[in-house]
Amino acid sequence: QVQLVESGGGVVQPGRSLRLSCAASGFTFSRYGMHWVRQAPGKGLEWVAVISYDGSRKYYGDSAKGRFTISRDNSKNTLYLQMNSLRPEDTAVYYCAKDEMATLDYWGQGTLVTVSS
Amino acid sequence: QSALTQPASVSGSPGQSITLSCTGTSSDVGGYNYVSWYQQHPGKAPKLMIYDVSNRPSGVSNRFSGSKSGNTASLTISGLQAEDEADYYCSSYTSSVVFGGGTKLTVL
Repeated sequence: QVQLVESGGGVVQPGRSLRLSCAASGFTFSRYGMHWVRQAPGKGLEWVAVISYDGSRKYYGDSAKGRFTISRDNSKNTLYLQMNSLRPEDTAVYYCAKDEMATLDYWGQGTLVTVSS
Repeated sequence: QSALTQPASVSGSPGQSITLSCTGTSSDVGGYNYVSWYQQHPGKAPKLMIYDVSNRPSGVSNRFSGSKSGNTASLTISGLQAEDEADYYCSSYTSSVVFGGGTKLTVL
């Protein structure tokens, strides 16, 4: 069965960097696009970024442009999100999700990022 | 892209049918059939309930159905059950993804 397991979250000071990982299993990772979606405490879902199956195309939401970078290593079945210049408003649970023909069909359980001094 | 518009809360009694709305524009909801609905229970990850406006993934109850008219998509839950109490999010997928603000469904 499809499994997505995020890691790398934690407490980080404003202005610092953090890299999140998402380990995928149960499907052929290299055939599917992948997303990052975040959810601030008590708030709704916010789309962060998507990467194509081969990593050649990447798109970002407005809050991520210029600071976050999505990438993948198909040899390791792993998705990444490099987050730089973090701000308190980036505090959220970050989910990775599998793309299936214009929908997000499987989601991980999320990893919490807290940006605070 | 601006967020899609959903009512903040909806309530219903067990056994009733309720409909959640999701309003966008001709550039997202109205222009493409890539509307999805997600259910999220507290502390849990979102779960896909409807994709491509009206299709149900395997394993999702047929009490859940989706439709679209113009720039507004709808999720109908029939035979409301206590376990349906959750937050529901719509989304539209073009080259990027935009979510609605979410609707909290309360089962009275």
